[in-house]
Amino acid sequence: EIVLTQSPGTLSLSPGERATFSCRASHTVTSNYLAWYQQKPGQAPRLLIYGASSRATGIPDRFSGSGSGTDFTLTISRLEPEDFAVYYCQQYVSSPYSFGQGTKLDVK
Amino acid sequence: QVHLVQSGAEVKRPGSSVKVSCRTSGGSLSSYPITWVRQAPGQGLEWMGQIIPIFGATDYAQRFQGRVTFTADESTSTAYMVLSSLRSEDTAVYYCARAYAVTHNWFDPWGQGTLVTVSS
Repeated sequence: EIVLTQSPGTLSLSPGERATFSCRASHTVTSNYLAWYQQKPGQAPRLLIYGASSRATGIPDRFSGSGSGTDFTLTISRLEPEDFAVYYCQQYVSSPYSFGQGTKLDVK
Repeated sequence: QVHLVQSGAEVKRPGSSVKVSCRTSGGSLSSYPITWVRQAPGQGLEWMGQIIPIFGATDYAQRFQGRVTFTADESTSTAYMVLSSLRSEDTAVYYCARAYAVTHNWFDPWGQGTLVTVSS
């Protein structure tokens, strides 16, 4: 079973700043089978990135994903007010298709 | 565009079962895996398992084995999750989501979620 560890637990930034989220896997995530989701309070998660670096349909280009092996990063180049939310990574290399514990992005 | 529409909130007694439905609109269940994820209050996302409706094939997370059952009715484009022997720790929002493909299990779109409250 692949365990995903996200850091930091909370990220406090201001609009206009750059946000960087880390996701580390306990085993190699082959073929870059890693996705990122955004979740706002009271809403279902929304897919942002799949294949570690491919943006989902309709996702602004300020969101980007990178990484390989066991270390992955989600970057928001310039924060907009609507970006403050919780972000999760998820691996789909093998079942169980686990999620990280999440990083909360809040307003500084 | 495909949307997943889930059934409404439920309040259940400990030891009982709950059945949550997930209807696909704007598309068919067909060969897309439907996955189930739950989120306890204030907690993260937990993958419960998935079903491939066209085959009826299921894959359950080990911690739910024996207590959860996924089914699908292609005639109504609806997937179902039954969780039995409910306990207070099962209080959570339950989501269904469609995987992109059998071998590419990222999830999009998601249902709106169904709150299941287990309380005596």
